[in-house]
Amino acid sequence: AQRVTQPEKLLSVFKGAPVELKCNYSYSGSPELFWYVQYSRQRLQLLLRHISRESIKGFTADLNKGETSFHLKKPFAQEEDSAMYYCALSGAGSYQLTFGKGTKLSVIP
Amino acid sequence: KAGVTQTPRYLIKTRGQQVTLSCSPISGHRSVSWYQQTPGQGLQFLFEYFSETQRNKGNFPGRFSGRQFSNSRSEMNVSTLELGDSALYLCASSLGTPITDTQYFGPGTRLTVL
Repeated sequence: AQRVTQPEKLLSVFKGAPVELKCNYSYSGSPELFWYVQYSRQRLQLLLRHISRESIKGFTADLNKGETSFHLKKPFAQEEDSAMYYCALSGAGSYQLTFGKGTKLSVIP
Repeated sequence: KAGVTQTPRYLIKTRGQQVTLSCSPISGHRSVSWYQQTPGQGLQFLFEYFSETQRNKGNFPGRFSGRQFSNSRSEMNVSTLELGDSALYLCASSLGTPITDTQYFGPGTRLTVL
């Protein structure tokens, strides 16, 4: 079975401080991993995915297979980063996404 | 391009009834996924369709079913509604797969079962 755990329901940081949103997964093979974001009164949207090795809005995420983690990081938080963040996983050959329960990031001005 | 649309946006039903929700994907998108979102369980995958074929189904009872039409529009049906089916139902579309292509979400249908 595959599972995604986001240990923090709420994370508050000051503007300009570094941000790290934790994501741990449980999957026996090589997963595809994603971060989705939902800003206030907006739709859920893809932020970044591991397979693209991209950096979006200053966010990056590194897959650590040894620790089965895919933490989302940003060196300097901005107020507009305040949102709900979801980590998601897909198993090899699957079209199914398993989501974590989300972390609400609040950036304090 | 118009985004993913879902109808209706809000629905109130009573236990035992059935309900059909509709999703229109972005033009040209052939993959449609459905999710159930509740405060307790979060976002849970229901099923994914591509070219009228269901490619994956989540761990939901048989009361939850879906289909996709030749124009890629999709419907999901829930029969014999239970109180626990109250949730936000999200639809998402992508070009080919939600894994390799960007998945775009709709606004959701809020279902309340009384």
